[in-house]
Amino acid sequence: LAKTTQPISMDSYEGQEVNITCSHNNIATNDYITWYQQFPSQGPRFIIQGYKTKVTNEVASLFIPADRKSSTLSLPRVSLSDTAVYYCLVGDNAGNMLTFGGGTRLMVKP
Amino acid sequence: DGGITQSPKYLFRKEGQNVTLSCEQNLNHDAMYWYRQDPGQGLRLIYYSQIVNDFQKGDIAEGYSVSREKKESFPLTVTSAQKNPTAFYLCASSIRGGMYNEQFFGPGTRLTVL
Repeated sequence: LAKTTQPISMDSYEGQEVNITCSHNNIATNDYITWYQQFPSQGPRFIIQGYKTKVTNEVASLFIPADRKSSTLSLPRVSLSDTAVYYCLVGDNAGNMLTFGGGTRLMVKP
Repeated sequence: DGGITQSPKYLFRKEGQNVTLSCEQNLNHDAMYWYRQDPGQGLRLIYYSQIVNDFQKGDIAEGYSVSREKKESFPLTVTSAQKNPTAFYLCASSIRGGMYNEQFFGPGTRLTVL
């Protein structure tokens, strides 16, 4: 699986847009990019997945540039309840092992 | 309601004892997984199973054992050979194996070895 690099932590305020960038320089042609969210003492929850360009759902947007060596998770108008750890994962559909790195700890302040 | 259940939520055991963590899903998923999470760390894969009666080791399988006799159940045994078993254990399932398929996680079991 391609190695990913994310910021360890980020702070934001309620109502702001938050962008978390993940670097994956050795991403392979068949790899997808997936983001999970984890609250304390809970299991991670799937947020969004993409392969290229832009993907949007009711929770977030995922921006992937043409070279696919990075991706940005965008959370619009965050609230206190968005305080969590966000994990970026990269891998293909043949692999069964999800490698969760340290993730990015997002703290949303009032 | 469909979902994944893990029991118990908290578990205490004495050092040297084996302990089995339960994981059940009624989502009709073929694939199931066990992860370990230490404080402030990401998840590490212990074992995974793509189909009944088959399972594969993950990154940190030493000191653990699993079975997959039924589609809906994937119990994890933490043996006395596991040197540092105190951790948060998470079970997950997906329709099939592979990155493309969303994994659904249970609420976790926090194991403390005294």
